[in-house]
Amino acid sequence: GNSVTQMEGPVTLSEEAFLTINCTYTATGYPSLFWYVQYPGEGLQLLLKATKADDKGSNKGFEATYRKETTSFHLEKGSVQVSDSAVYFCALDNQFYFGTGTSLTVIP
Amino acid sequence: EPEVTQTPSHQVTQMGQEVILRCVPISNHLYFYWYRQILGQKVEFLVSFYNNEISEKSEIFDDQFSVERPDGSNFTLKIRSTKLEDSAMYFCASSVGQKDSPLHFGNGTRLTVT
Repeated sequence: GNSVTQMEGPVTLSEEAFLTINCTYTATGYPSLFWYVQYPGEGLQLLLKATKADDKGSNKGFEATYRKETTSFHLEKGSVQVSDSAVYFCALDNQFYFGTGTSLTVIP
Repeated sequence: EPEVTQTPSHQVTQMGQEVILRCVPISNHLYFYWYRQILGQKVEFLVSFYNNEISEKSEIFDDQFSVERPDGSNFTLKIRSTKLEDSAMYFCASSVGQKDSPLHFGNGTRLTVT
């Protein structure tokens, strides 16, 4: 069946460090892939998405590339800020399948 | 910017009691969803609702759960006889369309069953 496997957290980085949060998926067909972010005390909000293989989603300096050959959609950011501290969720097609979430803390 | 609102933000109830969680989706959205997140675990899909009926539901959404859109603006989740394991954060979401449309989430209701 469909599923999403997300990198375990928590992740703690210093400001301006490089971030990678891994996400792999199992699905039939050609799903769309999403990253959502949850800031403290708030609901989830869409960060970026990609709808087909080799698409790159990007927003707020974050990027993720839909890799069909490795069934992955890893989230990256070149230089994190304290304001990026949040929980990040990878999600699969129709948004019925979410990862466990990866908590990121960025320290000054 | 319009947003999804959920009330209450925190609900405490005794085991066996009924609870109703309320949500007001974004007004021009057509698809409505409930998710739950048990502390430290993944966000789990419960149910989706379109055109005044359930369109999809997960195995979690058993007979103790029901949803309703009673008045064209509210979207409610009822749990008939709560159990300890129902303690979780419950998120409502809405979207304009299905599949590739982004979900807009509320801030959640934390349900604590004692």
